Amino acid sequence: GAVVSQHPSWVICKSGTSVKIECRSLDFQATTMFWYRQFPKQSLMLMATSNEGSKATYEQGVEKDKFLINHASLTLSTLTVTSAHPEDSSFYICSALEGHTNTGELFFGEGSRLTVL
Amino acid sequence: KQEVTQIPAALSVPEGENLVLNCSFTDSAIYNLQWFRQDPGKGLTSLLLIQSSQREQTSGRLNASLDKSSGRSTLYIAASQPGDSATYLCAGEGGGKLIFGQGTELSVKP
Repeated sequence: GAVVSQHPSWVICKSGTSVKIECRSLDFQATTMFWYRQFPKQSLMLMATSNEGSKATYEQGVEKDKFLINHASLTLSTLTVTSAHPEDSSFYICSALEGHTNTGELFFGEGSRLTVL
Repeated sequence: KQEVTQIPAALSVPEGENLVLNCSFTDSAIYNLQWFRQDPGKGLTSLLLIQSSQREQTSGRLNASLDKSSGRSTLYIAASQPGDSATYLCAGEGGGKLIFGQGTELSVKP
């Protein structure tokens, strides 16, 4: 199956710093990527939908100035958590929709665990 | 608004048992239904995708069905093994968004 790679797998940062998480589709082109966050023992919550070459669409309650999303190419989307605070500590997962087959199947990255001290 | 519910929240079975995980959704306009597996601290692994025009999909010991009229999907795992222990998530796609259930935490005891 298609492979989606996330980097870094885990990151610890000080409060007030910004952290960038990368999501890459390794063997396919992804016109659409999604970013989710997951708190312990909870399900994934969609944060935003990212389309290549256009602005991301954010879900209600997600601050777009806080969580900057860039989808500059068909194989890379980035999520930047700006001025991170402890409440931003979470597991962030991206997924990519394979553009060519149009099967609607999503492929997920391994996730990035962010801990803000 | 689409809501996805999974029952049970947790399940513990002895090795070798067949089991069924349930997923229900509120909006029958669901497009695709996908089942995932998540190991602790890891990302998601796609297990089965049931597209809008399909009723079921099979892969190895796994079989997933979709009944849009009743708003239900089931994941059947045959001859469970300890390696099947994980959290299983179903997710429905509607309106361009994938909505996840809370997951069922499965433990298969040797």
